[in-house]
Amino acid sequence: DGGITQSPKYLFRKEGQNVTLSCEQNLNHDAMYWYRQDPGQGLRLIYYSQIVNDFQKGDIAEGYSVSREKKESFPLTVTSAQKNPTAFYLCASSIAELVHTDTQYFGPGTRLTVL
Amino acid sequence: LAKTTQPISMDSYEGQEVNITCSHNNIATNDYITWYQQFPSQGPRFIIQGYKTKVTNEVASLFIPADRKSSTLSLPRVSLSDTAVYYCLVGGKLIFGQGTELSVKP
Repeated sequence: DGGITQSPKYLFRKEGQNVTLSCEQNLNHDAMYWYRQDPGQGLRLIYYSQIVNDFQKGDIAEGYSVSREKKESFPLTVTSAQKNPTAFYLCASSIAELVHTDTQYFGPGTRLTVL
Repeated sequence: LAKTTQPISMDSYEGQEVNITCSHNNIATNDYITWYQQFPSQGPRFIIQGYKTKVTNEVASLFIPADRKSSTLSLPRVSLSDTAVYYCLVGGKLIFGQGTELSVKP
């Protein structure tokens, strides 16, 4: 089956610890994205990558880091510098060949709770 | 950037047709309009995409007037399972606003 997987589904961490969220896709998509969603709010873009070994900051990149060493993988690290990391994190991918019609495919999400 | 405006919430009853309108006054000439649906604790999923006039698939219809400054997502005969948040996006812009929370009641 083709799709996007995120792990783990639920994640707990202590304040001050870094944590890495996994995102893998087997859709052969070039572009990948990370969003954050807070209760009752829309999605906010953290980072995105349009090609391997390249990525750009989104609207709320502070306190987060990413890497894109492989086409299939785009892990997100939530660092201790992120002041309010408790949220629902969504990963997505897209073909990104035609910008004006680009459609994103989302993973199931990871719910991070800082204790 | 083309900003979109949608109602924050809508209520409906099972079996009714629901129309959700999105305003996008600054849409660019080449931009398509895309709608996504999101259930609680899940990622959004693609519903429909269009450029002008009308597009229909097995799930919904999308109506876009000639000036393309707005679009209307139409859900025929909604059921309880259509309760979700619906997002309107323009072009390839990675901007998900607050969306429209649709509540379908029995």
